Amino acid sequence: EVQLVESGGGLVKPGGSLTLSCAASGFTFSNAWMSWVRQAPGKGLEWVGRIESKTDGGTTEYAAPVKGRFAISRDDSQNTLYLQMNSLKTEDTAVYYCTTGILDYWGQGTLVTVSS
Amino acid sequence: QSVLTQPPSASGTPGQRVTISCSGSSSNIGSNYVYWFQQLPGTAPKLLIYRNNQRPSGVPDRFSGSKSGTSASLAISGLRSEDEADYYCAAWDDSPSVYWVFGGGTKLTVL
Repeated sequence: EVQLVESGGGLVKPGGSLTLSCAASGFTFSNAWMSWVRQAPGKGLEWVGRIESKTDGGTTEYAAPVKGRFAISRDDSQNTLYLQMNSLKTEDTAVYYCTTGILDYWGQGTLVTVSS
Repeated sequence: QSVLTQPPSASGTPGQRVTISCSGSSSNIGSNYVYWFQQLPGTAPKLLIYRNNQRPSGVPDRFSGSKSGTSASLAISGLRSEDEADYYCAAWDDSPSVYWVFGGGTKLTVL
């Protein structure tokens, strides 16, 4: 059974940093392209970024609102996906989900609140 | 403002058939597959339809998807109370620096 478990969310001040983790199991993580998707309170879904598998190059891509501030990485030895978030803004407040390939599996999400 | 356009709400009575539309452009729906997600209150989204009209294992055949040109639709037949949820369409976009795009979501109410 595929499982994705996010952690690391919390309250952070504007301009601060936070790193989210996503522990994966039930599939061959090293072969998977992974994405982060977020959902602001009461709003719709927004793609944040993705990382290819290392065998496919390991390239990362980001949505315009987070480019240059967020970084996605992976540790295939630990089956873990990361989202490093810097220079956080109030508009980054959202539940952050990690997802597989074609967004076919989702974690339960972790809430990030950016507020002074 | 979402790249894909969905009606904000839809409704139906138990047993009815309901459709939800999703409109895009040539760079997303027009040239790539459409995906649909169901989000029950307080839970994570769940993949409902992939590659325009394919259902993952476990999704009832009451749910069906279709695509024509730059538009797509999700149909739910034999509506049930447990279908009350938010529904989102999504597609890959070929525009530079744009990848997955979503609709704004449609809140389905079962009357």
